[in-house]
Amino acid sequence: ILNVEQSPQSLHVQEGDSTNFTCSFPSSNFYALHWYRWETAKSPEALFVMTLNGDEKKKGRISATLNTKEGYSYLYIKGSQPEDSATYLCASLDNYGQNFVFGPGTRLSVLP
Amino acid sequence: DSGVTQTPKHLITATGQRVTLRCSPRSGDLSVYWYQQSLDQGLQFLIQYYNGEERAKGNILERFSAQQFPDLHSELNLSSLELGDSALYFCASEGANTGELFFGEGSRLTVL
Repeated sequence: ILNVEQSPQSLHVQEGDSTNFTCSFPSSNFYALHWYRWETAKSPEALFVMTLNGDEKKKGRISATLNTKEGYSYLYIKGSQPEDSATYLCASLDNYGQNFVFGPGTRLSVLP
Repeated sequence: DSGVTQTPKHLITATGQRVTLRCSPRSGDLSVYWYQQSLDQGLQFLIQYYNGEERAKGNILERFSAQQFPDLHSELNLSSLELGDSALYFCASEGANTGELFFGEGSRLTVL
């Protein structure tokens, strides 16, 4: 089973601050890296699916980068808003396409 | 609405009992994943099916089993239930084109 780690575990920022989180995953047998946003009392929803080393993806104020050689991905949120408060999960899929393992998540709280 | 349907939404039962959780994936998706989220834990991968066949197995207890039927719906069977099995059980189907996971709303199991 893959070991996917995320840091920090939780984060409190003020509205308007920019922030970023880290996801670490095994670089061997890498196939894909996913980011999900999980709001309280809801189900996780996909933000990004990334496969290539050097990939950069953006959706509004949220962006992500991928380094498959060293096994990490960053998620950036620019100008955080209270509605960004959620747990952000990353998940790694190996190239056997068989193990889709989630990290423990980073819980973001944006204070107005 | 992700298009993934899980039933029941809530279930309360006693230790030693057996329950079945049901998942209908999005139309056209062949792959179904089951995850367990216990209190203060992240999403723990249990098992994956693809087009009726078991494809990957995570930390699934021997008391638990699953299957995917010809119509692609899946069932997770939990037997000899223990207090520690109380959790939120998510099913997700994998988008055939995007590879992202679409989650159901989860089935909350409470074992008393």
